[in-house]
Amino acid sequence: NAGVTQTPKFRVLKTGQSMTLLCAQDMNHEYMYWYRQDPGMGLRLIHYSVGEGTTAKGEVPDGYNVSRLKKQNFLLGLESAAPSQTSVYFCASKTSGGHSYEQYFGPGTRLTVT
Amino acid sequence: DQQVKQNSPSLSVQEGRISILNCDYTNSMFDYFLWYKKYPAEGPTFLISISSIKDKNEDGRFTVFLNKSAKHLSLHIVPSQPGDSAVYFCAARDTGANSKLTFGKGITLSVRP
Repeated sequence: NAGVTQTPKFRVLKTGQSMTLLCAQDMNHEYMYWYRQDPGMGLRLIHYSVGEGTTAKGEVPDGYNVSRLKKQNFLLGLESAAPSQTSVYFCASKTSGGHSYEQYFGPGTRLTVT
Repeated sequence: DQQVKQNSPSLSVQEGRISILNCDYTNSMFDYFLWYKKYPAEGPTFLISISSIKDKNEDGRFTVFLNKSAKHLSLHIVPSQPGDSAVYFCAARDTGANSKLTFGKGITLSVRP
């Protein structure tokens, strides 16, 4: 049981390049989330999904796109990377049942855009 | 407008003493609060939570207190250990926000041996 995994762990991009970050979870969770963490800013929600085939915008969605084609995977895409997207990206997942609102986080992807 | 505020960016405590981490919120629709702990180069991990219908929840060395009238919660760690040195995030759930969490900026706790 790996929990939430993220690929890649590190990446350096040049301005204007594109890339996709992959998040996978093996807990059969319905909900999945993408956050970014910047110094002094805490965790900010980029996009989220409440089930396979659904996506929604979070607090800071501009410049990112997402897809949830399979329940266990949540992809975050950067079509044209900008230096302002240099950050650490975290994926999280959560069950839809019960009264627990705990989200389980992956180890993060450190992205640098030059 | 920041709805979850952790106004102190850092805290340093002697090993064995109590650590008190504070969190304030502004949204009256928050009904559930969580604390996460984060070590460098790792993802946040859940620590403890509290529902808005309670004023205290305890789990081993960790206790969270909620004061709804003051819109304030605090995390107490007793006794503090060097392994507790990490960044602590306060998070809150809005009843109408589809299980999204709003996070504070985090507090860096350093426990001195």
